Amino acid sequence: DARVTQTPRHKVTEMGQEVTMRCQPILGHNTVFWYRQTMMQGLELLAYFRNRAPLDDSGMPKDRFSAEMPDATLATLKIQPSEPRDSAVYFCASGLVRTRRGEQFFGPGTRLTVL
Amino acid sequence: SQKIEQNSEALNIQEGKTATLTCNYTNYSPAYLQWYRQDPGRGPVFLLLIRENEKEKRKERLKVTFDTTLKQSLFHITASQPADSATYLCALGNSGNTPLVFGKGTRLSVIA
Repeated sequence: DARVTQTPRHKVTEMGQEVTMRCQPILGHNTVFWYRQTMMQGLELLAYFRNRAPLDDSGMPKDRFSAEMPDATLATLKIQPSEPRDSAVYFCASGLVRTRRGEQFFGPGTRLTVL
Repeated sequence: SQKIEQNSEALNIQEGKTATLTCNYTNYSPAYLQWYRQDPGRGPVFLLLIRENEKEKRKERLKVTFDTTLKQSLFHITASQPADSATYLCALGNSGNTPLVFGKGTRLSVIA
């Protein structure tokens, strides 16, 4: 049963600390997305990759967020330094551009709390 | 700017009734619209996709309509069950696996 995995599932940290979230997309998927979900804003796109190349990261605060895909099985989202307003659930999703449905498969999310 | 509105934050209905959720959008011309289900503590799960040239799509007890003139999609769950209780998100897209724009969701509670 192929699924997207994310680690850690929960993270509590103090303001100013570095946070790294990891995602393993479904094997064979060529598109990876990072979303952030809050009660106020809902699901917002932060960045996405196709074939490991970054296509759009305009949703990220560039001064503190960075997203990378070191290889096809790993995507990372890093926040440095973290701030309380970064508290949210961060989702990774993957998809395959050739599918007609264009569906995205979401991971379970990382719940981040910055104190 | 693009805006997606889902009719209400929460909807309560009696078991066995039909639940109808609304998704309206402005300043957007999507090629397709998707509906996702999200349970507490989990990521969204894809349910249905409907394209701009389709009026209606069905899958088991689910039915989706798409009116590009009204800029609206309706999502129906017939013979609703308590297990259908979840948050339902609509999302708009332009081509295969480009970023989706999501609504904030409607939390559906089906009461036995």
